[in-house]
Amino acid sequence: GNSVTQMEGPVTLSEEAFLTINCTYTATGYPSLFWYVQYPGEGLQLLLKATKADDKGSNKGFEATYRKETTSFHLEKGSVQVSDSAVYFCALGGTTDSWGKLQFGAGTQVVVTP
Amino acid sequence: NAGVTQTPKFQVLKTGQSMTLQCAQDMNHEYMSWYRQDPGMGLRLIHYSVGAGITDQGEVPNGYNVSRSTTEDFPLRLLSAAPSQTSVYFCASMKGFGNTIYFGEGSWLTVV
Repeated sequence: GNSVTQMEGPVTLSEEAFLTINCTYTATGYPSLFWYVQYPGEGLQLLLKATKADDKGSNKGFEATYRKETTSFHLEKGSVQVSDSAVYFCALGGTTDSWGKLQFGAGTQVVVTP
Repeated sequence: NAGVTQTPKFQVLKTGQSMTLQCAQDMNHEYMSWYRQDPGMGLRLIHYSVGAGITDQGEVPNGYNVSRSTTEDFPLRLLSAAPSQTSVYFCASMKGFGNTIYFGEGSWLTVV
């Protein structure tokens, strides 16, 4: 079945540091890939997505490229801010046999200090 | 535009009690689903629906019941609450294949 593996946290960074969160997946078919962010006490918000190989999703300074050859969708941001402190979830979905079901990774907590 | 609305936001239940978590969306989305979020496990799919009158089980359906009588509403029923059902529950909706999934703000449930 489909699965998503992402790096464990917490990841603690200083403001303006470079952030990378690794995400790899296994799937049948041609899934879409997503990054969701959850701020403390809130629900999940879509951060970015990519629907096919070599697509790059970007939003709010975050980027991730859909790499089919390495089955990866790593999240990056060049200069983090304290307001980026949150839990980040990598997710897979949209295959023809599970088009509405998202498979989530365990989440990575990111803490950015001033 | 309210999006996906969940109620209640917080609830404490005693073991054996039943309750219903409400979910409503005003975006005319065909697809709705319920997830639970537990520490270190991400979100896991409980039940989903691809349209009014159609529901199916997800990864962790035991102890939960759903129905979809209208496009807008997708309630989740806990039949006899157990401490293992202490979790944060998220409702989600989507227009159709390939579209973005929108989440509600979550319902924090504690079973004592």
